[in-house]
Amino acid sequence: GAVVSQHPSWVICKSGTSVKIECRSLDFQATTMFWYRQFPKQSLMLMATSNEGSKATYEQGVEKDKFLINHASLTLSTLTVTSAHPEDSSFYICSARDWTGPGELFFGEGSRLTVL
Amino acid sequence: QKEVEQDPGPLSVPEGAIVSLNCTYSNSAFQYFMWYRQYSRKGPELLMYTYSSGNKEDGRFTAQVDKSSKYISLFIRDSQPSDSATYLCAMTPSNTGKLIFGQGTTLQVKP
Repeated sequence: GAVVSQHPSWVICKSGTSVKIECRSLDFQATTMFWYRQFPKQSLMLMATSNEGSKATYEQGVEKDKFLINHASLTLSTLTVTSAHPEDSSFYICSARDWTGPGELFFGEGSRLTVL
Repeated sequence: QKEVEQDPGPLSVPEGAIVSLNCTYSNSAFQYFMWYRQYSRKGPELLMYTYSSGNKEDGRFTAQVDKSSKYISLFIRDSQPSDSATYLCAMTPSNTGKLIFGQGTTLQVKP
């Protein structure tokens, strides 16, 4: 089946630095990808919708200057957490729909960010 | 009030038991209902996908949707230790719409 790959799977950084997370659709093209955030024992919260070739659409309350999203190709979206702070520590998960089939939404393995 | 409510558990059952997982919701516009399984430190994987009301069965898993009560269920028969995970319900008004997730129920199946 379709696979969505995320990299890195975990990252530790110092406060004030920026971290980039990649999301790739491995065997299908994804014009739209989604970025979620999940705190421990909490549900997934949609942060933004990444659109290939155009600006991302952010959910209410999500700082677009803090969480930069770039969807430069049909198989790659990146999320950059800028000037990270400890409160940004979380599990970030991307997803993409495979429209070669019924449009099932596939999730990546997630990226765990820890900001010291 | 959250749009989707799900008891976080944890739920602990012996191997072979029938497990019932449930979600309630408040938005009558939801039409598509999904159940995801998430193992620790992993991304969610789709288990069941149901449109509108009714039942759907896949192996040991049965999904039920009761739109009149705004209530969905996932039943796991002959539960196995490998079923131990967090189960998330999700729903959306349209197939391309934003998924709204429940909090997730942590299930432990003891050998």
